[in-house]
Amino acid sequence: EAQVTQNPRYLITVTGKKLTVTCSQNMNHEYMSWYRQDPGLGLRQIYYSMNVEVTDKGDVPEGYKVSRKEKRNFPLILESPSPNQTSLYFCASSLLSGTEKLFFGSGTQLSVL
Amino acid sequence: GQQLNQSPQSMFIQEGEDVSMNCTSSSIFNTWLWYKQDPGEGPVLLIALYKAGELTSNGRLTAQFGITRKDSFLNISASIPSDVGIYFCAGPIQGAQKLVFGQGTRLTINP
Repeated sequence: EAQVTQNPRYLITVTGKKLTVTCSQNMNHEYMSWYRQDPGLGLRQIYYSMNVEVTDKGDVPEGYKVSRKEKRNFPLILESPSPNQTSLYFCASSLLSGTEKLFFGSGTQLSVL
Repeated sequence: GQQLNQSPQSMFIQEGEDVSMNCTSSSIFNTWLWYKQDPGEGPVLLIALYKAGELTSNGRLTAQFGITRKDSFLNISASIPSDVGIYFCAGPIQGAQKLVFGQGTRLTINP
């Protein structure tokens, strides 16, 4: 089944404790992206990747890092999480570019205490 | 930057009612996408529109690409409980490799 898989689904952590949210897609998509969803703000892009070893900032990249060492994986790294990073995070992918139809994962609800 | 404004932000309706929501922008878009997010899940694409004036249906859902290219509309006929969720409009930002999303319309249905 074609899908984007994120882990974990839920995560509670404390300020400053490094964490990684994994994302994997099995559709051989070139483009992958991370969004965060906050009430009243919709979905805002954090980082995106056009291909292996090619990443770029989205609208709200501060406090986040990403890597794209393999085509299928695009982990989101929070080196020193803060409470304002409490949010619902979505990984997404599309065949070639970020302006096409995006396929989303099921989301990761992160709480930073 | 380009922003999308959705209206209304939330709707509370009775089962069986029709639903209308819209999405507007101060900028022109060449594509309009409508996504639905079920509770606890990621958004799923419902309808894609590629041409001004285009009217496209997907079951009980109908979406329209506004003539001015600055707006789009989504209608749901004869709502059922599984229509509950958040509906997002989205459009591509050319040269920026991303979709910009509206704030969402949250639909609640009373049985």
